[in-house]
Amino acid sequence: EVAVVESGGGLVQPGGSLRLSCQASGFAFSVYWMDWVRQAPGKGLVWVSRISSDSNRIYYAGSVKGRFTISRDHGNNTLFLQMSDLRVEDTAIYFCVREKEDAFDLWGRGTAVTISS
Amino acid sequence: FDLTQTPSVSVSPGQTASITCSGDDLESKYTSWYQQKPGQSPTLVIYEDIKRPSGIPERFSASNSGNTATLTIGGTQALDEADYYCQAWDRTTAHWVFGGGTKLAVL
Repeated sequence: EVAVVESGGGLVQPGGSLRLSCQASGFAFSVYWMDWVRQAPGKGLVWVSRISSDSNRIYYAGSVKGRFTISRDHGNNTLFLQMSDLRVEDTAIYFCVREKEDAFDLWGRGTAVTISS
Repeated sequence: FDLTQTPSVSVSPGQTASITCSGDDLESKYTSWYQQKPGQSPTLVIYEDIKRPSGIPERFSASNSGNTATLTIGGTQALDEADYYCQAWDRTTAHWVFGGGTKLAVL
């Protein structure tokens, strides 16, 4: 089955760090660009970060640039999001998504991140 | 670059629902549309302005002209009740951008 499954979310204090993982299966992970999208409680979708298939091109939303790092491991078909200096406003469900033909055609169920003291 | 959507749209069952997404020179960018039902992940319903992924019913169609992209749902059913988001790539900032979302109510 073609799927992406996120993990690594949890409750963290402001200023803390967290590393999200996304396990891809059922498709050739290494040829696709991948992204992270988040959704705060009761709010809309917000794009967070993007990584090319060869990891040479990486992009971040302004709100996370300098604090979050996207990376991927082709040997383990895994996408990562290292998050540091976390803020209350980073509280959200984080979705791992696959890009195909200028759209996000495959979404995971998401992993919940809560930043609170 | 911002994408603007009407927060809510209501439609009667069997009627046609139109959801719009506005952005500067949007027609020069490919627009995608996503459906999100409560408690679920988003699902792609339209990509590259007008294309439907396999498995998406034919009653979902779309257009993109000028500064406005439109998602049209013909013969709207109760199961179409959801939040709908448009999306486009902003070449200037190299960012993906989502619209704020439109809640479709089938009343």
